[in-house]
Amino acid sequence: DGGITQSPKYLFRKEGQNVTLSCEQNLNHDAMYWYRQDPGQGLRLIYYSQIVNDFQKGDIAEGYSVSREKKESFPLTVTSAQKNPTAFYLCASSIPRDGYTFGSGTRLTVV
Amino acid sequence: GQQVMQIPQYQHVQEGEDFTTYCNSSTTLSNIQWYKQRPGGHPVFLIQLVKSGEVKKQKRLTFQFGEAKKNSSLHITATQTTDVGTYFCAGWPYNDYKLSFGAGTTVTVRA
Repeated sequence: DGGITQSPKYLFRKEGQNVTLSCEQNLNHDAMYWYRQDPGQGLRLIYYSQIVNDFQKGDIAEGYSVSREKKESFPLTVTSAQKNPTAFYLCASSIPRDGYTFGSGTRLTVV
Repeated sequence: GQQVMQIPQYQHVQEGEDFTTYCNSSTTLSNIQWYKQRPGGHPVFLIQLVKSGEVKKQKRLTFQFGEAKKNSSLHITATQTTDVGTYFCAGWPYNDYKLSFGAGTTVTVRA
Protein backbone atom coordinates (compact mmCIF):
# COMPACT_ATOMS: atom_id res chain seq x y z
CA ASP A 1 0.00 0.00 0.00
CA GLY A 2 1.20 3.50 -0.78
CA GLY A 3 1.57 6.03 1.97
CA ILE A 4 3.80 8.11 4.19
CA THR A 5 5.64 6.70 7.16
CA GLN A 6 6.87 8.89 9.97
CA SER A 7 9.11 7.61 12.71
CA PRO A 8 9.36 7.51 15.60
CA LYS A 9 5.81 8.06 16.80
CA TYR A 10 7.08 9.50 20.10
CA LEU A 11 10.44 11.15 20.70
CA PHE A 12 12.00 12.64 23.80
CA ARG A 13 14.80 15.17 23.53
CA LYS A 14 17.10 16.48 26.18
CA GLU A 15 17.99 20.14 26.32
CA GLY A 16 20.77 20.95 23.84
CA GLN A 17 20.32 17.83 21.71
CA ASN A 18 19.68 17.64 18.00
CA VAL A 19 17.12 15.06 16.92
CA THR A 20 16.07 13.87 13.47
CA LEU A 21 12.54 12.93 12.49
CA SER A 22 12.12 10.51 9.63
CA CYS A 23 9.60 10.84 6.78
CA GLU A 24 9.43 8.30 3.94
CA GLN A 25 6.85 8.09 1.13
CA ASN A 26 6.25 5.52 -1.60
CA LEU A 27 3.61 7.53 -3.45
CA ASN A 28 6.07 8.80 -6.06
CA HIS A 29 5.20 12.37 -5.07
CA ASP A 30 7.63 15.12 -6.01
CA ALA A 31 6.63 17.55 -3.26
CA MET A 32 7.09 17.01 0.46
CA TYR A 33 6.32 19.24 3.44
CA TRP A 34 6.96 19.52 7.17
CA TYR A 35 4.42 21.11 9.52
CA ARG A 36 4.40 21.82 13.21
CA GLN A 37 1.18 21.67 15.24
CA ASP A 38 0.92 22.90 18.82
CA PRO A 39 -1.97 21.78 21.07
CA GLY A 40 -5.26 23.21 19.88
CA GLN A 41 -3.54 25.08 17.07
CA GLY A 42 -3.39 24.93 13.31
CA LEU A 43 -0.62 23.80 10.97
CA ARG A 44 2.51 25.91 10.59
CA LEU A 45 4.85 25.21 7.68
CA ILE A 46 8.49 24.57 8.57
CA TYR A 47 10.09 23.55 5.26
CA TYR A 48 8.95 22.25 1.91
CA SER A 49 10.59 20.62 -1.08
CA GLN A 50 9.23 20.56 -4.61
CA ILE A 51 11.90 18.30 -6.03
CA VAL A 52 14.96 16.29 -5.06
CA ASN A 53 17.98 18.34 -3.93
CA ASP A 54 15.86 21.47 -3.49
CA PHE A 55 13.93 22.84 -0.51
CA GLN A 56 12.59 26.16 0.76
CA LYS A 57 11.98 27.67 4.18
CA GLY A 58 8.43 27.92 5.38
CA ASP A 59 7.00 30.28 7.97
CA ILE A 60 8.87 28.93 11.02
CA ALA A 61 12.17 27.47 9.72
CA GLU A 62 14.43 28.87 12.46
CA GLY A 63 15.97 26.07 14.55
CA TYR A 64 15.16 23.38 11.97
CA SER A 65 17.03 21.86 9.02
CA VAL A 66 16.10 19.42 6.25
CA SER A 67 17.61 17.50 3.37
CA ARG A 68 16.11 15.99 0.23
CA GLU A 69 18.68 13.62 -1.22
CA LYS A 70 16.09 11.07 -2.37
CA LYS A 71 12.60 11.50 -3.75
CA GLU A 72 11.21 9.16 -1.10
CA SER A 73 12.78 10.78 1.95
CA PHE A 74 12.57 14.19 3.63
CA PRO A 75 14.09 14.06 7.14
CA LEU A 76 13.70 16.96 9.56
CA THR A 77 16.35 17.82 12.15
CA VAL A 78 15.27 19.78 15.20
CA THR A 79 18.41 21.54 16.36
CA SER A 80 19.36 22.86 19.79
CA ALA A 81 18.68 26.34 18.41
CA GLN A 82 14.94 25.57 18.48
CA LYS A 83 14.07 26.82 21.96
CA ASN A 84 10.55 25.43 22.20
CA PRO A 85 10.50 22.19 20.18
CA THR A 86 7.76 20.33 22.06
CA ALA A 87 5.04 19.83 19.45
CA PHE A 88 3.37 17.43 17.03
CA TYR A 89 5.31 17.22 13.74
CA LEU A 90 3.52 16.23 10.55
CA CYS A 91 5.05 15.31 7.23
CA ALA A 92 3.03 15.43 4.00
CA SER A 93 3.51 14.83 0.30
CA SER A 94 1.62 15.68 -2.86
CA ILE A 95 1.65 16.02 -6.63
CA PRO A 96 1.22 19.58 -7.93
CA ARG A 97 -2.11 21.18 -6.95
CA ASP A 98 -3.49 17.92 -5.57
CA GLY A 99 -4.46 16.91 -2.04
CA TYR A 100 -1.82 16.32 0.58
CA THR A 101 -1.24 12.89 2.10
CA PHE A 102 -0.12 13.26 5.71
CA GLY A 103 1.89 10.86 7.82
CA SER A 104 0.67 9.85 11.26
CA GLY A 105 3.05 12.32 12.92
CA THR A 106 5.80 12.42 15.53
CA ARG A 107 5.16 13.82 19.01
CA LEU A 108 8.35 15.44 20.27
CA THR A 109 8.80 16.28 23.94
CA VAL A 110 11.71 18.05 25.61
CA VAL A 111 12.68 16.44 28.91
CA GLY B 1 1.03 37.37 1.66
CA GLN B 2 -1.54 34.73 1.00
CA GLN B 3 -3.92 34.21 3.91
CA VAL B 4 -6.80 31.84 4.42
CA MET B 5 -9.13 32.75 7.26
CA GLN B 6 -11.50 30.18 8.75
CA ILE B 7 -14.43 30.73 11.12
CA PRO B 8 -15.59 29.83 13.65
CA GLN B 9 -12.58 28.52 15.57
CA TYR B 10 -14.81 26.34 17.76
CA GLN B 11 -18.24 24.88 17.10
CA HIS B 12 -20.21 23.13 19.84
CA VAL B 13 -23.13 21.28 18.29
CA GLN B 14 -26.05 19.30 19.68
CA GLU B 15 -26.23 15.87 18.09
CA GLY B 16 -28.66 15.97 15.20
CA GLU B 17 -28.21 19.68 14.49
CA ASP B 18 -26.61 21.24 11.41
CA PHE B 19 -23.65 23.57 11.29
CA THR B 20 -21.45 25.39 8.78
CA THR B 21 -17.80 26.43 8.78
CA TYR B 22 -16.54 29.15 6.47
CA CYS B 23 -13.26 29.82 4.74
CA ASN B 24 -12.12 33.06 3.07
CA SER B 25 -8.99 33.81 1.06
CA SER B 26 -7.34 37.16 0.44
CA THR B 27 -6.56 36.11 -3.14
CA THR B 28 -8.17 34.02 -5.86
CA LEU B 29 -7.50 30.31 -5.57
CA SER B 30 -6.90 27.66 -8.20
CA ASN B 31 -8.58 25.16 -5.90
CA ILE B 32 -9.67 24.71 -2.31
CA GLN B 33 -9.39 21.56 -0.24
CA TRP B 34 -10.88 20.34 3.03
CA TYR B 35 -9.26 18.09 5.60
CA LYS B 36 -10.47 16.43 8.80
CA GLN B 37 -8.27 15.73 11.81
CA ARG B 38 -9.72 13.46 14.48
CA PRO B 39 -8.52 14.03 18.07
CA GLY B 40 -5.03 12.58 18.41
CA GLY B 41 -4.82 11.87 14.69
CA HIS B 42 -3.45 13.45 11.55
CA PRO B 43 -5.24 15.51 8.86
CA VAL B 44 -6.98 13.43 6.23
CA PHE B 45 -7.90 14.81 2.82
CA LEU B 46 -11.68 14.99 2.30
CA ILE B 47 -12.27 16.77 -0.97
CA GLN B 48 -11.02 19.27 -3.54
CA LEU B 49 -13.11 21.93 -5.32
CA VAL B 50 -11.78 23.49 -8.51
CA LYS B 51 -14.57 25.20 -10.43
CA SER B 52 -16.24 28.51 -9.62
CA GLY B 53 -19.53 27.86 -7.81
CA GLU B 54 -18.83 24.14 -7.49
CA VAL B 55 -20.85 22.13 -4.97
CA LYS B 56 -19.93 18.61 -3.89
CA LYS B 57 -21.56 16.28 -1.39
CA GLN B 58 -20.23 13.44 0.69
CA LYS B 59 -23.15 11.87 2.56
CA ARG B 60 -24.08 14.50 5.20
CA LEU B 61 -21.25 16.89 4.21
CA THR B 62 -21.79 19.58 1.57
CA PHE B 63 -18.82 21.56 0.25
CA GLN B 64 -19.15 24.75 -1.76
CA PHE B 65 -16.65 26.93 -3.65
CA GLY B 66 -17.58 30.56 -4.15
CA GLU B 67 -18.21 32.18 -7.52
CA ALA B 68 -15.11 34.36 -7.15
CA LYS B 69 -13.01 31.36 -6.05
CA LYS B 70 -12.03 33.17 -2.85
CA ASN B 71 -14.32 31.53 -0.33
CA SER B 72 -15.69 28.13 0.59
CA SER B 73 -17.98 26.50 3.10
CA LEU B 74 -18.53 23.10 4.66
CA HIS B 75 -22.04 22.31 5.86
CA ILE B 76 -22.76 19.23 7.97
CA THR B 77 -26.33 18.10 8.45
CA ALA B 78 -27.63 15.98 11.33
CA THR B 79 -24.33 16.05 13.21
CA GLN B 80 -23.18 12.76 14.71
CA THR B 81 -20.53 11.96 17.30
CA THR B 82 -18.35 10.63 14.48
CA ASP B 83 -18.12 14.21 13.16
CA VAL B 84 -15.97 15.27 16.13
CA GLY B 85 -12.61 16.71 15.11
CA THR B 86 -10.97 19.69 13.49
CA TYR B 87 -11.86 20.65 9.93
CA PHE B 88 -9.25 22.57 7.97
CA CYS B 89 -9.74 24.34 4.70
CA ALA B 90 -6.68 24.88 2.51
CA GLY B 91 -6.39 27.03 -0.57
CA TRP B 92 -3.97 26.66 -3.44
CA PRO B 93 -3.10 30.09 -4.85
CA TYR B 94 -2.33 30.40 -8.54
CA ASN B 95 1.10 31.89 -7.82
CA ASP B 96 2.33 29.43 -5.22
CA TYR B 97 3.63 25.89 -4.97
CA LYS B 98 2.01 24.99 -1.66
CA LEU B 99 -1.30 25.07 0.14
CA SER B 100 -2.27 27.81 2.55
CA PHE B 101 -4.13 26.29 5.50
CA GLY B 102 -6.84 27.93 7.55
CA ALA B 103 -6.61 27.73 11.34
CA GLY B 104 -9.31 25.08 11.51
CA THR B 105 -12.74 24.69 13.13
CA THR B 106 -12.78 22.32 16.09
CA VAL B 107 -16.14 20.58 16.42
CA THR B 108 -17.47 19.01 19.59
CA VAL B 109 -20.81 17.21 19.76
CA ARG B 110 -23.21 17.03 22.72
CA ALA B 111 -25.09 13.77 22.78
